[in-house]
Amino acid sequence: EDQVTQSPEALRLQEGESSSLNCSYTVSGLRGLFWYRQDPGKGPEFLFTLYSAGEEKEKERLKATLTKKESFLHITAPKPEDSATYLCAVQASSNTGKLIFGQGTTLQVKP
Amino acid sequence: DAGVIQSPRHEVTEMGQEVTLRCKPISGHDYLFWYRQTMMRGLELLIYFNNNVPIDDSGMPEDRFSAKMPNASFSTLKIQPSEPRDSAVYFCASSLPYTYTEAFFGQGTRLTVV
Repeated sequence: EDQVTQSPEALRLQEGESSSLNCSYTVSGLRGLFWYRQDPGKGPEFLFTLYSAGEEKEKERLKATLTKKESFLHITAPKPEDSATYLCAVQASSNTGKLIFGQGTTLQVKP
Repeated sequence: DAGVIQSPRHEVTEMGQEVTLRCKPISGHDYLFWYRQTMMRGLELLIYFNNNVPIDDSGMPEDRFSAKMPNASFSTLKIQPSEPRDSAVYFCASSLPYTYTEAFFGQGTRLTVV
């Protein structure tokens, strides 16, 4: 069964304290791995797509990496506005339309 | 483009009543998805359409749930009869031809069934 597990469930950081979020996945042929950001009361907002092991994508203070079993979202020198829930999702090659989401990591960055 | 538009934003209804949620996808997007988000189960795909045709409805929890897409600019998710366990935030999302493309989500409809 295709599955996505994110850790930790919650993370508190001081402003400027870098860290990483983990997304472990089990899928029958990875078509793509997606990172989304969700603010309270809003829908998820797309951040990155990764397609193959070794690939990296960057956007401001965020960098996403991918291996054959997991993905990391690295946050460098975070700011309070980075506080949000970060969701990881996978798309299996066996089903082109379906995204399977993890439970998310809720990040709080304190000034 | 205004993005994916959902209505209503909030819905409170009594158990047993019919509920209809509405979605207008981004113009030009071929795929439309309905998701449900709860604290216990996270974000779950209920059904998705490609070019107005339902492709996978395996996530629809029960026969009480139905979804339609009569044209490229409108979709509905209906629950009849509604039950308290249907309380959740329901999201609609749309995307271009899905391969290697991200989905854009609406603001969601928060449904409370009392």
